Amino acid sequence: DAMVIQNPRYQVTQFGKPVTLSCSQTLNHNVMYWYQQKSSQAPKLLFHYYDKDFNNEADTPDNFQSRRPNTSFCFLDIRSPGLGDAAMYLCATSSLMGKRQGAYEKLFFGSGTQLSVL
Amino acid sequence: DAKTTQPTSMDCAEGRAANLPCNHSTISGNEYVYWYRQIHSQGPQYIIHGLKNNETNEMASLIITEDRKSSTLILPHATLRDTAVYYCIVRVANSGYSTLTFGKGTMLLVSP
Repeated sequence: DAMVIQNPRYQVTQFGKPVTLSCSQTLNHNVMYWYQQKSSQAPKLLFHYYDKDFNNEADTPDNFQSRRPNTSFCFLDIRSPGLGDAAMYLCATSSLMGKRQGAYEKLFFGSGTQLSVL
Repeated sequence: DAKTTQPTSMDCAEGRAANLPCNHSTISGNEYVYWYRQIHSQGPQYIIHGLKNNETNEMASLIITEDRKSSTLILPHATLRDTAVYYCIVRVANSGYSTLTFGKGTMLLVSP
């Protein structure tokens, strides 16, 4: 059963043409993340939401925006995609597991959207 | 968060144990060691985590040295489907919701 669902699996856009990637979750988790992963590199965090509170990483370009209209859905908007924005975009949710004293965070990832920019 | 060091790549024969090392010599007492893996073209998947005791679950075992400066992830009977990039991550415990920073990881290739 898919828990974090990303659509579409593959997305092709043109240079400079706005594009939106979507993510939905059935886990009812408070936190949702967007990561960017370029070829042969590790995933890099772009931003995350704790409920409706948006947290941007310091080095995330202004070209990247996000929306979270409700608990289940989160969107990644790229306002003017450049060739360097071609990458896999991964959505994740997280939940605190265990007791507060020994609580740890477990991330659940979607399968990602592979974005190509022509 | 403490920095981790992992070998770039490792090979393992199918059916044998895969032992993936991770060095985290600057780890502090309240930091967990997490392991995730990423199979090609999929999102990362949680495997296991530990603080100071050895841990085992249905996927793997985690051995943490007594001084906590290094750990080893063990896949007891590797299969072809275990071919993936394995990430060792150190993160403060009890920090509530936080962000995991992925390093370069180890590419494990399981061969027939």
